[in-house]
Amino acid sequence: GAVVSQHPSRVICKSGTSVKIECRSLDFQATTMFWYRQFPKQSLMLMATSNEGSKATYEQGVEKDKFLINHASLTLSTLTVTSAHPEDSSFYICSAGRLAGTYEQYFGPGTRLTVT
Amino acid sequence: SQQGEEDPQALSIQEGENATMNCSYKTSINNLQWYRQNSGRGLVHLILIRSNEREKHSGRLRVTLDTSKKSSSLLITASRAADTASYFCATRGSNYKLTFGKGTLLTVNP
Repeated sequence: GAVVSQHPSRVICKSGTSVKIECRSLDFQATTMFWYRQFPKQSLMLMATSNEGSKATYEQGVEKDKFLINHASLTLSTLTVTSAHPEDSSFYICSAGRLAGTYEQYFGPGTRLTVT
Repeated sequence: SQQGEEDPQALSIQEGENATMNCSYKTSINNLQWYRQNSGRGLVHLILIRSNEREKHSGRLRVTLDTSKKSSSLLITASRAADTASYFCATRGSNYKLTFGKGTLLTVNP
């Protein structure tokens, strides 16, 4: 159990366009989903936390107008990178969490975004 | 500075040897977790150790936690080429957020 999927796994877009990444919890209801960004050979940096039905909470330094997060249901959260630039090229990973017990997060396989 | 910092940054060993990675953190934690990431892939959860635990085992993995020193270690015994990956520690404090360390790149040579 506790499977999280992401779609697409890879995406290439042109500078100035927007791209949407989906994160789904397949076999459980996730009250909270997290979005991380990982540059090559670096660690994961938390971008934002999204709770179903409410606005996302962004970490310091993350532009909320550029990285739009929607968490419309207990199984789906989306991250939209608006007006993408080459510096937005990165590996984006989501996780879904159950806010109980150890608060364990289950990670998706990641989405490789390349902006040309 | 960053919560959860691993050392060494890179480790190269021969198959069959043991690999030890360390993680230090700065603030109080609820639990500490270790993850593996193969190149270009997502994270695989390896083991979670709670703040009131000192040692935990899972197969060839052994994790220790010393809250007085704010440090943890991950030992992989009898390493295999398939263990080649990056290993990250992540700490969870009083909230539900995870803070990741910079990772250790482990290379196991056949």
